[in-house]
Amino acid sequence: DSGVTQTPKHLITATGQRVTLRCSPRSGDLSVYWYQQSLDQGLQFLIQYYNGEERAKGNILERFSAQQFPDLHSELNLSSLELGDSALYFCASSGGQGSNQPQHFGDGTRLSIL
Amino acid sequence: QQQVKQSPQSLIVQKGGISIINCAYENTAFDYFPWYQQFPGKGPALLIAIRPDVSEKKEGRFTISFNKSAKQFSLHIMDSQPGDSATYFCAAITGRRALTFGSGTRLQVQP
Repeated sequence: DSGVTQTPKHLITATGQRVTLRCSPRSGDLSVYWYQQSLDQGLQFLIQYYNGEERAKGNILERFSAQQFPDLHSELNLSSLELGDSALYFCASSGGQGSNQPQHFGDGTRLSIL
Repeated sequence: QQQVKQSPQSLIVQKGGISIINCAYENTAFDYFPWYQQFPGKGPALLIAIRPDVSEKKEGRFTISFNKSAKQFSLHIMDSQPGDSATYFCAAITGRRALTFGSGTRLQVQP
């Protein structure tokens, strides 16, 4: 058990809809990262937050947004969903921002767009 | 642009054999190279990691070999077991950036 909790585990919705994925980091971890895993693109970094502030952006679409709350949990919001957004979405957390802080992953949310 | 190239895509090894997965990177600013193991339905789990100032790191049956001049690193799994069957990802990171992952290797260890 990594200590990172993601909910829900599965989400099925339709094109055009909006969903929110939730992540609770390991106790004490200040950094939260969101990754997307798809068959054709592999594991791709989306966005990072550190102690409530956005710190880095990767290949995140404009239709996607995220935030980290004062209690350090994070939410990833996906809107105007398209079939291609079907993927596994992982959250990872680490104690700090540097490269020597290992990232620990949750078990993901599987998003299926019908 | 793929900054970390991983091979092979899939690997079948007999129980007790050695599994070898290779990765090559382009960005010389990378300063931390972890390997992750992922089982179906689970998130990637940190297996072992190395810094570029070390040529080899061993933890149990798992060894990372690192060649800084060639910008390559590899994972060796000694005495491979059926329980090692999983997908393995190499990754690289620099400073405050997020992980850049390789494309993954699906390992199957046959009993």
